[in-house]
Amino acid sequence: QQPVQSPQAVILREGEDAVINCSSSKALYSVHWYRQKHGEAPVFLMILLKGGEQKGHEKISASFNEKKQQSSLYLTASQLSYSGTYFCGTERSGSARQLTFGSGTQLTVLP
Amino acid sequence: DTGVSQNPRHKITKRGQNVTFRCDPISEHNRLYWYRQTLGQGPEFLTYFQNEAQLEKSRLLSDRFSAERPKGSFSTLEIQRTEQGDSAMYLCASSAVGSGYEQYFGPGTRLTVT
Repeated sequence: QQPVQSPQAVILREGEDAVINCSSSKALYSVHWYRQKHGEAPVFLMILLKGGEQKGHEKISASFNEKKQQSSLYLTASQLSYSGTYFCGTERSGSARQLTFGSGTQLTVLP
Repeated sequence: DTGVSQNPRHKITKRGQNVTFRCDPISEHNRLYWYRQTLGQGPEFLTYFQNEAQLEKSRLLSDRFSAERPKGSFSTLEIQRTEQGDSAMYLCASSAVGSGYEQYFGPGTRLTVT
């Protein structure tokens, strides 16, 4: 089942912060975050694994609540380049590494 | 390392024709994935390979779709008897084997079926 992302869209001014949430009804092994700009490939941002390990870009932070099967992506001091659609991809425990993506959160950063 | 590459970038075909797409993963990556993405949606998993073995295939994948990775390097995705509903962006991704992996996506092939 597809994870649920919220909000669906957010508009910020440069320098403001945003939080994007991802929630699953299934037990998860990992959560992956990607950003996609129009007409381009999704770009890897962060992976959070069951047990606490995480890896990603230095300027990006995220959390993974294993009990609630929820993850949040924190964008601080947003820049114009942060604009794009953010997707979370979830890997279910016991699955073969396939990711199930949410429908995305469209982030627009205005000057 | 130039990343994941896909060819062609765009394909327009008539309904009923067969099409084939190619994906070249990052050279040291053992795993290769195919996804399909339609407008306003996230990528939808189609299938994945570890080396040359196709280990999983989506239940949603029609038998008109077939994928190969004959030598464990590049992969091809073929769609037979295309339908208008096949119009989408087809994305390929690759990753290393092991925990803490991340998938790197290629630029995609945009298919338009007329």
